[in-house]
Amino acid sequence: EAGVAQSPRYKIIEKRQSVAFWCNPISGHATLYWYQQILGQGPKLLIQFQNNGVVDDSQLPKDRFSAERLKGVDSTLKIQPAKLEDSAVYLCASSFGTGAGEQYFGPGTRLTVT
Amino acid sequence: DQQVKQNSPSLSVQEGRISILNCDYTNSMFDYFLWYKKYPAEGPTFLISISSIKDKNEDGRFTVFLNKSAKHLSLHIVPSQPGDSAVYFCAAHNSGGGADGLTFGKGTHLIIQP
Repeated sequence: EAGVAQSPRYKIIEKRQSVAFWCNPISGHATLYWYQQILGQGPKLLIQFQNNGVVDDSQLPKDRFSAERLKGVDSTLKIQPAKLEDSAVYLCASSFGTGAGEQYFGPGTRLTVT
Repeated sequence: DQQVKQNSPSLSVQEGRISILNCDYTNSMFDYFLWYKKYPAEGPTFLISISSIKDKNEDGRFTVFLNKSAKHLSLHIVPSQPGDSAVYFCAAHNSGGGADGLTFGKGTHLIIQP
């Protein structure tokens, strides 16, 4: 079974530029999550999708971050404009359904904002 | 306000001995707990979980203990092996919260010495 795929793996941009990350979840997984992991911290949830609908985006900085999952499969997370404090690893995870249970994580995209 | 705390940033254990990783939480609404293992440049990988209706769950060399009254859980690895060297994250879930994002601790870096 193929795991969660993410691209790119690494990205370096200057502040005020924009950037987009892509995620392809495990086949058949209806729920998709984006987490932000700042160095030395645990992952923090940014947004949860159930199919192509948003379940929770309470911790997403909506003035600069946006995410979509148009066909209920792949998802993109965008930052525009980027700030220095956005430097982090952005992790995508998926799960078969909702509720408590295992979430499967991709390898992440390491973003450096200079 | 950290709701899941892992107070030991690192832990060094000799190969073959027991590794004990600790985790405390403050939110009494958490009812499901998970441990993830993370190698450098990879996403977190699910290790073991426990529901709040149980006080112990075992899977091979890994055992998780939950003390609800103390809001404390621990992961025991016996015997510790070199491949266990990684960062371990404790995560918690609130089934009544309406969303399924996990709340993570900051992680403990486990080092298994030969």
